[in-house]
Amino acid sequence: NAGVMQNPRHLVRRRGQEARLRCSPMKGHSHVYWYRQLPEEGLKFMVYLQKENIIDESGMPKERFSAEFPKEGPSILRIQQVVRGDSAAYFCASSPMGQELRGPQHFGDGTRLSIL
Amino acid sequence: KQEVTQIPAALSVPEGENLVLNCSFTDSAIYNLQWFRQDPGKGLTSLLLIQSSQREQTSGRLNASLDKSSGRSTLYIAASQPGDSATYLCAVRSTGANSKLTFGKGITLSVRP
Repeated sequence: NAGVMQNPRHLVRRRGQEARLRCSPMKGHSHVYWYRQLPEEGLKFMVYLQKENIIDESGMPKERFSAEFPKEGPSILRIQQVVRGDSAAYFCASSPMGQELRGPQHFGDGTRLSIL
Repeated sequence: KQEVTQIPAALSVPEGENLVLNCSFTDSAIYNLQWFRQDPGKGLTSLLLIQSSQREQTSGRLNASLDKSSGRSTLYIAASQPGDSATYLCAVRSTGANSKLTFGKGITLSVRP
């Protein structure tokens, strides 16, 4: 079973550009979570999605950030007009239906975003 | 608002030592607590998951305990090895907070040969 797949592993963008981060959950998992790890900080929750629905986006910055998890294809975290402060490691996790409260979350290897 | 604390931030021990990593959380209304390992530049590997109704979980040389009422968990590592060097993170899943995890900042462990 393939684990949670994130790509790209490393992404470099210039200020003002757009960044798109992709996450394919484990097979059979329908719940996806995005977390951000800033330098010297712990992981912070950003958004929780099920297929075609955003369940909780309380951790997402109000501007420039958006996320989707379409019926087909990976979940996408999109950052528009990136700034230096967006430089961080972005992690995706997944869990299967029915285990979103009690089961473990399985994490990908992350995308390291660097803003020049 | 749930807050998770892990102290100290870093720990260095000689090989072979048994050690305990601590995690505390402010709100005892949780579904479960999960311990992770993170190697530099890598993702998170789940080590142990303890449900709120459980007292401990064991996997190999690792044992995690949970005292929900006092808001504490410990990760016990027996006979530490240099390969155990990594950052250890604990995370709680609070009730009433959907299913998101709240993480501590982690403890960076170095096991000296």
